[in-house]
Amino acid sequence: QVQLQESGPGLLKPSETLSLTCTVSGGSIRSYHWTWIRQPPGKGLEWIGYIYYSGSTNYNPSLKSRVTISIDTSKKQFSLKLTSVTAADTAVYYCATEDGEGGLNIWGQGTMVTVSS
Amino acid sequence: DIQMTQSPSSLSASVGDRVTITCRASQTISTYFNWYQQKPGKAPKLLIYGASSLQSGVPSRFSGSGTGTDFTLTIRSLQPEDFATYYCQQSYSTPRTFGQGTKVEIK
Repeated sequence: QVQLQESGPGLLKPSETLSLTCTVSGGSIRSYHWTWIRQPPGKGLEWIGYIYYSGSTNYNPSLKSRVTISIDTSKKQFSLKLTSVTAADTAVYYCATEDGEGGLNIWGQGTMVTVSS
Repeated sequence: DIQMTQSPSSLSASVGDRVTITCRASQTISTYFNWYQQKPGKAPKLLIYGASSLQSGVPSRFSGSGTGTDFTLTIRSLQPEDFATYYCQQSYSTPRTFGQGTKVEIK
């Protein structure tokens, strides 16, 4: 069974770049859409984007100018970079898998990222 | 973007109650539709995919229905562990979008 674990800095200053990594264990990275989602404190879920193992990506247009998702199949990791962060980017960031049916069936535990001066 | 609108935003119910949550998409999405349950401090959990298919391991008291633009999640007999926030999501097109959530609280 695939398991996911997010890692990365929990505190950033405005204008810095958010960098998170999701490590995949227990299964192949050569399947699924590897997805990033975020949830601001007390609010709902926002889809950031996904990457396939081939490297093809799809981003939320609301973040597209600032987002890059990449994958390293040899390390079984995929990563999120979000540039020029502001307080509005403060959220719990989740990595997840989207299976062939379209559901996000496996989630990491989430990592809180706070943007504050 | 496809907008997903859930109702109600919150509800109070008792153990044993039948609970229904609805979600409407701003355009037709066939059955590319999913339901999630989220408990405080935890990641969301997939309950229903393809509008009506029960994810493995999810109790059978949960069921989903609908196609096109209107969808329903039903909890047949609410259990203490079901008090949580529920989200709908469309997987018809990108960007994937979620409903605003329905918080199910104890009456």
